[in-house]
Parts: sequence; structure tokens; C-alpha cells
Amino acid sequence: DSGVTQTPKHLITATGQRVTLRCSPRSGDLSVYWYQQSLDQGLQFLIHYYNGEERAKGNILERFSAQQFPDLHSELNLSSLELGDSALYFCASSVANAPTYEQYFGPGTRLTVT
Amino acid sequence: SQQGEEDPQALSIQEGENATMNCSYKTSINNLQWYRQNSGRGLVHLILIRSNEREKHSGRLRVTLDTSKKSSSLLITASRAADTASYFCATVANDYKLSFGAGTTVTVRA
Repeated sequence: DSGVTQTPKHLITATGQRVTLRCSPRSGDLSVYWYQQSLDQGLQFLIHYYNGEERAKGNILERFSAQQFPDLHSELNLSSLELGDSALYFCASSVANAPTYEQYFGPGTRLTVT
Repeated sequence: SQQGEEDPQALSIQEGENATMNCSYKTSINNLQWYRQNSGRGLVHLILIRSNEREKHSGRLRVTLDTSKKSSSLLITASRAADTASYFCATVANDYKLSFGAGTTVTVRA
């Protein structure tokens, strides 16, 4: 158990819908990272927040947005969902403000868009 | 796009044997990290090696880094059935973004 929690574990929704994925980092970690894992794209970095502020953006679509709240939990919002958005979404947390130390991954949210 | 590329894509070994997998990357890095993933579950951090380090050990794991060749290797000694998993290298370049390779799937046969 990494100490990172993600909810929900599974999500099935229809195209065009909007969903919110939630992540709680390990106690004491200020950084939250979001990743998408799909069969065709592999593991892709989406976005990084540190202590409530966006630090870096990766291959995140404009339909996707994220935020980190004062209690340090983070939410990833996916809107106008397409079939190709079906994937495993992981969040990870770290103590540092950059990926210069190990990251601790949550169990993931499996999103299926039908 | 993925910076790191693992080789081989898949590896099948007998319990007790050693497993070696390689990672090549394209740009200068700040550090390189190895992660393990068991069948669709979360990733587990194994080792982080910084650009000024050449070798690191952790239990049965040994990682080397050759920045002149832009490559790294992960050696698992005396493999066990529980080592069956996918192994990913991830590089951190000067943009401080973690970029994963496609992974090596390791199967340890009893």
C-alpha cells in the first residue's frame, strides 16, 4: 500500500459525458502527478501540481483539467469524453516539487467510455 | 512521446535465474527511475539513479547508468515468481517531466 488513494476504482460512462477522478496523496507529500495509461499510448504524464499550484503540463488534452485543493487532494476532470479516453488513470505523490525523488503511485481509476 | 525505450519487450526466465533489461533514452537527463507494475495495478518505485551516479543497488536489484551511451540497465538476481511483472524505466530531463518507456514484461517460470 503506497498511501496514495484514488476514487473511484472503476468508472463506466458514455461518450460526451464528464467525470471527476479524485486522488489523495500520501501524508506529508505536497506534489501530485496525474498519468494516463492506455494500450496504444503507454504511460503518459498529464499534469503536476505542487502545494496547490500547477508546476508542469504534459500531454493533457484541453478537454481535461485538474486542480489541487488546500487539503492537497487533487481532482482530474475529464469532459466531452471520447472512446479513446478509455484508460487507466493514475495519480502519484511525492515530497519534492519536481520529479527528482521517487513517486508513490495510487492503485488507479479504470475509465471505460462506451 | 516516450523518451525511454526498454529492451527486450518481453522476457521469460526460470526461477532462480537473473533477468536483465535495458533502457535507452534520447536527451540529457536529471535522473532515471525504474518502476514495477503488476498486471494493471499501480506502479511501484524500485530505484532512482541520478545523472552523476553510475551504479546503484537495492536488495536483489542492480541498476547501472551510462550517460555517454544514454542507456541504463536493470538486473534482477535470483528471480522469484513474485518478480513476474512489467518493468518501466522513466527519465526526468531538464523539463522535470517524468517520461516512461513502453516497458519490459518479465515472466518468471516456477
